Amino acid sequence: DAKTTQPNSMESNEEEPVHLPCNHSTISGTDYIHWYRQLPSQGPEYVIHGLTSNVNNRMASLAIAEDRKSSTLILHRATLRDAAVYYCILRSVNSGYSTLTFGKGTMLLVSP
Amino acid sequence: DARVTQTPRHKVTEMGQEVTMRCQPILGHNTVFWYRQTMMQGLELLAYFRNRAPLDDSGMPKDRFSAEMPDATLATLKIQPSEPRDSAVYFCASGLGGTGSQGYTFGSGTRLTVV
Repeated sequence: DAKTTQPNSMESNEEEPVHLPCNHSTISGTDYIHWYRQLPSQGPEYVIHGLTSNVNNRMASLAIAEDRKSSTLILHRATLRDAAVYYCILRSVNSGYSTLTFGKGTMLLVSP
Repeated sequence: DARVTQTPRHKVTEMGQEVTMRCQPILGHNTVFWYRQTMMQGLELLAYFRNRAPLDDSGMPKDRFSAEMPDATLATLKIQPSEPRDSAVYFCASGLGGTGSQGYTFGSGTRLTVV
């Protein structure tokens, strides 16, 4: 699987936007970009995914660079409940074997 | 929202005892995973089922771990005999696999402590 690189941690203030970066310079044309998050004492939770175009859902937005070598998860207004570890993961669209390989992720700290 | 249900939520057992963890995937999902999470190793894939058939269990210690899906509504992960190094949180996840275009749903996990 192609590898992703994320900062170990980031800090934000409540009600401010948060931009969580992910580098995936070896991404292939058939890889989807997935984001999951894990709140304290809970299982990972699917957030959003995309292939080439930017995506929005009720939880977040995903901005994908034109060359697809990086992406940014955007939380428009951080809340204390958004404090979690955020994982950026690549999954092949063509693979019949399609698991999730988790890295260390980015720990997001949100201050009141 | 549909949920993946894992039981028990917590388990404390003595070394050498058998441990069985259960998972009820979301109805209609054809793909089930077992992951293990520790502070040192993070989230590791243990086993992967598609349509109840095991596709990959290379992440499991074969001599003591076994994973099965006796039917579409139940997945089990068994450790026999358990060891202190098995202490971890075990997560089950389900989804519609086959392509990279679907998200997976995780359960709340079973926290296992082997003393």
